Amino acid sequence: EVQLVQSGAEVKKPGESLKISCSVSGYRFTTYWIGWVRQLPGDRLEWMGIIYPDDSNTKYSQSFKGQVTISADRSNNTASLQWSSLKASDTAIYYCARLVLGRYYFDYWGQGTLVTVSS
Amino acid sequence: HSALTQPASVSGSPGQSITMSCTGTSSDVGSYNYVSWYQQHPGKVPKLIISSVTNRPSGVSNRFSGSKSGNTASLTISGLQADDEAFYYCASYTTNSTLLFGGGTKLTVL
Repeated sequence: EVQLVQSGAEVKKPGESLKISCSVSGYRFTTYWIGWVRQLPGDRLEWMGIIYPDDSNTKYSQSFKGQVTISADRSNNTASLQWSSLKASDTAIYYCARLVLGRYYFDYWGQGTLVTVSS
Repeated sequence: HSALTQPASVSGSPGQSITMSCTGTSSDVGSYNYVSWYQQHPGKVPKLIISSVTNRPSGVSNRFSGSKSGNTASLTISGLQADDEAFYYCASYTTNSTLLFGGGTKLTVL
């Protein structure tokens, strides 16, 4: 069974760094892209970027380029999303999801990680 | 590329059919048959209901169907049920090799 299990909710202060994770199982990690999607409170889904774990090839939405870093660790089948300096406007739910290559849709999703940034 | 355009809300009565639209440009919806649709109940994880414009994943009711004409994709739900009340998001691959979501449509079952 394909599963994407994300790390737990985080409460951080502005300016702090953060790394959240997405642990996958049930399929070969290196053969699918993993994407990250942001959902601001009460708002729409936003595609942030994707990574191909086999070679760490990464593509970012222009809106998020330089704001976050997406990485993957093949040794423990985990993708990550990190910030070096959080802002209050980063408060949102972040989802990881598996992207079907060549068809460009997300077929399996993690449960979401709520990140709250507040002083 | 800004967000794909979806109506903010649509509504229908149980048993009726509704169609919601997703309008993009020739750089996204109009260029590829890579439009997908996701259903999200409040507080829940998005769920894939349509891929590649018309394909329904295993386990998704055949009451859900998708289509596309030019730069506009559509999702039709027939035989509306109370549990269909949710937010629906479309997404498309783009000529920039990125993905773009729509603003979402809230479906209300009256």
